[in-house]
Amino acid sequence: NAGVTQTPKFRVLKTGQSMTLLCAQDMNHEYMYWYRQDPGMGLRLIHYSVGEGTTAKGEVPDGYNVSRLKKQNFLLGLESAAPSQTSVYFCASSHLRDRWHNEQFFGPGTRLTVL
Amino acid sequence: DQQVKQNSPSLSVQEGRISILNCDYTNSMFDYFLWYKKYPAEGPTFLISISSIKDKNEDGRFTVFLNKSAKHLSLHIVPSQPGDSAVYFCAASGWNSGGSNYKLTFGKGTLLTVNP
Repeated sequence: NAGVTQTPKFRVLKTGQSMTLLCAQDMNHEYMYWYRQDPGMGLRLIHYSVGEGTTAKGEVPDGYNVSRLKKQNFLLGLESAAPSQTSVYFCASSHLRDRWHNEQFFGPGTRLTVL
Repeated sequence: DQQVKQNSPSLSVQEGRISILNCDYTNSMFDYFLWYKKYPAEGPTFLISISSIKDKNEDGRFTVFLNKSAKHLSLHIVPSQPGDSAVYFCAASGWNSGGSNYKLTFGKGTLLTVNP
């Protein structure tokens, strides 16, 4: 049981290049999320998904696209990378057991640098 | 507008003493609160949670207190250990009109350092 995994762990891009970050979870969770963490900013939600084939915008969605073609995978795409997208990206998943048990489980992160 | 605030960016305590991390929230719709712990180069891991129907939840050395009238919660770690040194994030959610609370709002985090 690997939990939440992210690929790649590190990446350096040049401005204008594109890339896709892959998140996979083996816990059969319905909900999946992409966050970015920047110094002094905490975790900010980029996009999320409440089920296979669905996606929605979070707090900071501009410059990113997502897809959830399979329940276990959630892809985050950068079509034209910008230096402002230099960050650590975390994927998370959760299962809504009930109103008082909805903790999210996080992957190890992807450190992205855009030059 | 920050809905979840952790006003102390850092905290330093001696091993064996109590660590108290604080969190304030502004959204009165929040009714479920969580604490996450994050080591460098790792993802956050869930630590403990509390619902608005309680004012205290305890798990081993970790206790979370909720004061709804003050919109304030705190995490107590007793006794503190060097391995507790990490960034601690407070998070909150509210039950939405769709009948779910899957979205979390995070604070900026507090770096706890426990000195041997």
